[in-house]
Amino acid sequence: GAGVSQSPSNKVTEKGKDVELRCDPISGHTALYWYRQSLGQGLEFLIYFQGNSAPDKSGLPSDRFSAERTGGSVSTLTIQRTQQEDSAVYLCASSFRGPGNTIYFGEGSWLTVV
Amino acid sequence: SQQGEEDPQALSIQEGENATMNCSYKTSINNLQWYRQNSGRGLVHLILIRSNEREKHSGRLRVTLDTSKKSSSLLITASRAADTASYFCATDPAGGDKLIFGTGTRLQVFP
Repeated sequence: GAGVSQSPSNKVTEKGKDVELRCDPISGHTALYWYRQSLGQGLEFLIYFQGNSAPDKSGLPSDRFSAERTGGSVSTLTIQRTQQEDSAVYLCASSFRGPGNTIYFGEGSWLTVV
Repeated sequence: SQQGEEDPQALSIQEGENATMNCSYKTSINNLQWYRQNSGRGLVHLILIRSNEREKHSGRLRVTLDTSKKSSSLLITASRAADTASYFCATDPAGGDKLIFGTGTRLQVFP
């Protein structure tokens, strides 16, 4: 596709359930980012993938959060045993090679944990 | 942790007025970028300024960068109601590998 695609757009889940959020970056972009944004707040860095390098996971808030990127393209962010404080918009972005270039965002996945 | 702090947190102006938003950051950077966000969804890139640049223009946008003060400003001239959005600065720290976003400024432009 022409842009970064995220799914689902909206997800309501019960506390304690696992959720998977998907990101399909722009074709050819080697860098992929996940950010989290709570209502009315700034963007919180979660994880960064660059090519075949080991991902930078320094922003993941707990071991309930994990992400993978298969074949250097699609990425999945998994949240296990969801908690109410996990409710936020999860934004994925990609760029060609890294942060020295413009990064392009998807429309985000709005997660609500009830 | 947040690299950038922006002020003001919120700004309300009338159409036609200029809007100035400021961003301060903590560490040396390779570049600084400004993004716009409508309605809490995806961000749109506005402008990138490199550490060896002091000023950059794009249409009604003017960005300045003062690396000695570790600060940047975004000026929107002749604002329009359609400029209403949140604006974020993002820094590419020297030696780092990811963009770090500021806390954002919510701009409201009244017709």
